[in-house]
This record gives sequence, structure tokens and C-alpha cells, in this order.
Amino acid sequence: NAGVTQTPKFQVLKTGQSMTLQCAQDMNHEYMSWYRQDPGMGLRLIHYSVGAGITDQGEVPNGYNVSRSTTEDFPLRLLSAAPSQTSVYFCASSYARHKGSDTQYFGPGTRLTVL
Amino acid sequence: TQLLEQSPQFLSIQEGENLTVYCNSSSVFSSLQWYRQEPGEGPVLLVTVVTGGEVKKLKRLTFQFGDARKDSSLHITAAQPGDTGLYLCAVHNAGNNRKLIWGLGTSLAVNP
Repeated sequence: NAGVTQTPKFQVLKTGQSMTLQCAQDMNHEYMSWYRQDPGMGLRLIHYSVGAGITDQGEVPNGYNVSRSTTEDFPLRLLSAAPSQTSVYFCASSYARHKGSDTQYFGPGTRLTVL
Repeated sequence: TQLLEQSPQFLSIQEGENLTVYCNSSSVFSSLQWYRQEPGEGPVLLVTVVTGGEVKKLKRLTFQFGDARKDSSLHITAAQPGDTGLYLCAVHNAGNNRKLIWGLGTSLAVNP
């Protein structure tokens, strides 16, 4: 199993550009999520999904869109990039068995710089 | 205000030393997880503790969940350079089991 994969690894954008960060998992996990990680702010949840066709907002959703058309894929779209979106983005997945102890599996991250 | 307070924020020690890092809260949790994040990688689960007073060992790492299930500690014996990384604690949001709440982490550097 490849686990959770993310592409690209690095990206530089200009203000106002749009792009999609890709995330895929091959573990048949129902739950997938996107985080951003910034110094001094920790991991903050952007959006999450509990299954195909179902998405919901996290704590910092503004400026980002998601969709979940398949169990495997959960892309994150930046609509109009801003310097404040410079961050490291992580995708994670887990079984959604209503257990607080489920393991979160993280991808390797995408390092995004917005100029 | 952070729901989970981790201390210390930074720690730099020599190889072979022992250390303890903490994850504290005023709230009670049904379970708590510890993750380690190596530079340039995503977090990886180390352990989940679910019972008050529980102690779990993972090689040189010892995890304890407080009796009241409000806090946890991670003790590393004879630290090695491979232990270098960011140690994060996380709990599930009582109001929404889908959401994890994360501490800011303890950044550990173990020098050869």
C-alpha cells in the first residue's frame, strides 16, 4: 500500500493564481481531512470528509474548496491564492468508526509559497 | 487559548540523556494520542492511551495517561538522534468526534 500520497511536494504561486493540491489514499478509509501547519499555530483543520459526496468545514475553511467524488481522492482547491496561504498542507485519512482512538495517517505534505 | 498545552515548547539535549514532555488540559478526554513528526514529513502515530493511569511503553518511550484523563506525559530514556522531531498530542473533539484537537507540540533535538 502506498498509504496517503500528496502532490505536488513543493509549489510556488503568485497572488491570485488558483491551484489544486492532490491527495489520494489506498486504504479504503472513509474519513479524510486537510490541515495546514504554520509555526506557532500548530495543525489547523481546513476541511474534512466522512465519505464520498460528504464534506464539511474545519476551523480555517475560507479561501479553500474541497470535493469527494470517490473514496480514494480528496483534492483541495485554492481559489485565489493569497500570501496568507503560504503554509505546509497535510492530507490525512482514517477509518470513520466513531472511535476517538482511530489512527490518522498523514501524507508527506505540500509546501506552498504564495508570492 | 489552547485546549491542549504542551511543554516544553523546545528541548535540545545530548544523546543519552533522559527527558519528559507533557500534554496538559483542564478538560477530560476519553482518549489521547501522541504523534511524532520528523522534519519534512507528516505526523506518525506513536500511541493511543484510553484508560486513566494507563502506562504504555514503546521501546525507550514511556507514555502515561493521567488518572483523571486530563493530561499525559511522554518519557524518553537514553535519547538518540533518531528521536529528533516534533512531538504532538491530540484528542478528539467531544462535540464532534470527527475533529481532532492538536497541541502545538514539543520540538526535540537530540545532539550526537
